[in-house]
Amino acid sequence: DQQVKQNSPSLSVQEGRISILNCDYTNSMFDYFLWYKKYPAEGPTFLISISSIKDKNEDGRFTVFLNKSAKHLSLHIVPSQPGDSAVYFCAASAGTGGFKTIFGAGTRLFVKA
Amino acid sequence: DAMVIQNPRYQVTQFGKPVTLSCSQTLNHNVMYWYQQKSSQAPKLLFHYYDKDFNNEADTPDNFQSRRPNTSFCFLDIRSPGLGDAAMYLCATSRDPNSYEQYFGPGTRLTVT
Repeated sequence: DQQVKQNSPSLSVQEGRISILNCDYTNSMFDYFLWYKKYPAEGPTFLISISSIKDKNEDGRFTVFLNKSAKHLSLHIVPSQPGDSAVYFCAASAGTGGFKTIFGAGTRLFVKA
Repeated sequence: DAMVIQNPRYQVTQFGKPVTLSCSQTLNHNVMYWYQQKSSQAPKLLFHYYDKDFNNEADTPDNFQSRRPNTSFCFLDIRSPGLGDAAMYLCATSRDPNSYEQYFGPGTRLTVT
């Protein structure tokens, strides 16, 4: 029972263009969402998050959009850079703090120069 | 630099032979997590510690145990590894129970022969 789904295992984008990574969830109790980025041989690192009381959060080139009615969130990277090539994990949490954080399986992003 | 360290990075053990993976952190965070990640799957939470308070996920096999002798260190013990336990094991920390953001170590890749 996958509560957090990232349906695209991989995505390839040209440098300078927009990358859109998608994530769907099933549990309506999730109220906080995070994106993590993972380079090879390193652990995931926190990238950006959003609370369920918002529908958008922006940090530089990274924007996360949340559509609660569709139980869908997306991560936009504009413009994409070769250094953005990594695996991106979507994560969702219900209740206070990270104790019940559920991760998606990740999407591997390739940004071509 | 403050960080989460996992040793060893690669561990090979024999079927049924107990193995211990270690994690240390210099962040002085109160919460520590252990995740299991199999190939192309989402990281799956095994258990977490809030200070010395141990919390086991309901579906974590009894074969997996953990110890946290102090704030800085946390160990994952696999009492009788099976072939299905081969995976990447990720340790993570968070500042306190109210913090969503987790800080990950690079992981230990366990091979069972």
